[in-house]
Amino acid sequence: GENVEQHPSTLSVQEGDSAVIKCTYSDSASNYFPWYKQELGKRPQLIIDIRSNVGEKKDQRIAVTLNKTAKHFSLHITETQPEDSAVYFCAALRDDKIIFGKGTRLHILP
Amino acid sequence: GAGVSQTPSNKVTEKGKYVELRCDPISGHTALYWYRQSLGQGPEFLIYFQGTGAADDSGLPNDRFFAVRPEGSVSTLKIQRTERGDSAVYLCASSSGQGGTGELFFGEGSRLTVL
Repeated sequence: GENVEQHPSTLSVQEGDSAVIKCTYSDSASNYFPWYKQELGKRPQLIIDIRSNVGEKKDQRIAVTLNKTAKHFSLHITETQPEDSAVYFCAALRDDKIIFGKGTRLHILP
Repeated sequence: GAGVSQTPSNKVTEKGKYVELRCDPISGHTALYWYRQSLGQGPEFLIYFQGTGAADDSGLPNDRFFAVRPEGSVSTLKIQRTERGDSAVYLCASSSGQGGTGELFFGEGSRLTVL
């Protein structure tokens, strides 16, 4: 089955700097890669996703890149703000199942 | 309702007891997922329904866990003979997409504590 590895587990960046979270997946047949943000005590919410026929997608300060050959995908957040503090989960779709990574806790330092 | 609703929000039970957790998805969403989230971990896939049928139950940890969705809307996750290791937040999500490529809308979760 699919296995999604995510790193780092914790990331602290200065407000205004960029943050990068990286994920790898094991099943080359996976074709959809969403990212979810979970604030403390809240439910996970989709922030961006990418399909396997696209190499990069951007939405304002958030971008995701996908390298199908290497089975890597990354989340990039630019000009970080205090409200970006949360846990971020990458995920991969295989056989109708969305499999999540273990999460990255992002701290934005003032 | 406007979002995915899960009840109860909190459940404390004793080891060996039976528990039911309910999920009311967004109206019209055909896909429904159950996940389990332990502290500091990502959501762990349990089971996926497309309509009334369980399309994939490969994530259920053992035969103490069972889920139903008899009319293709509300779903119930049932846990028999609960164990302390079952303690976690059980998340339900629904989606309008088929094949998992639609956005998952999560409920607030049901926090289960087994004493």
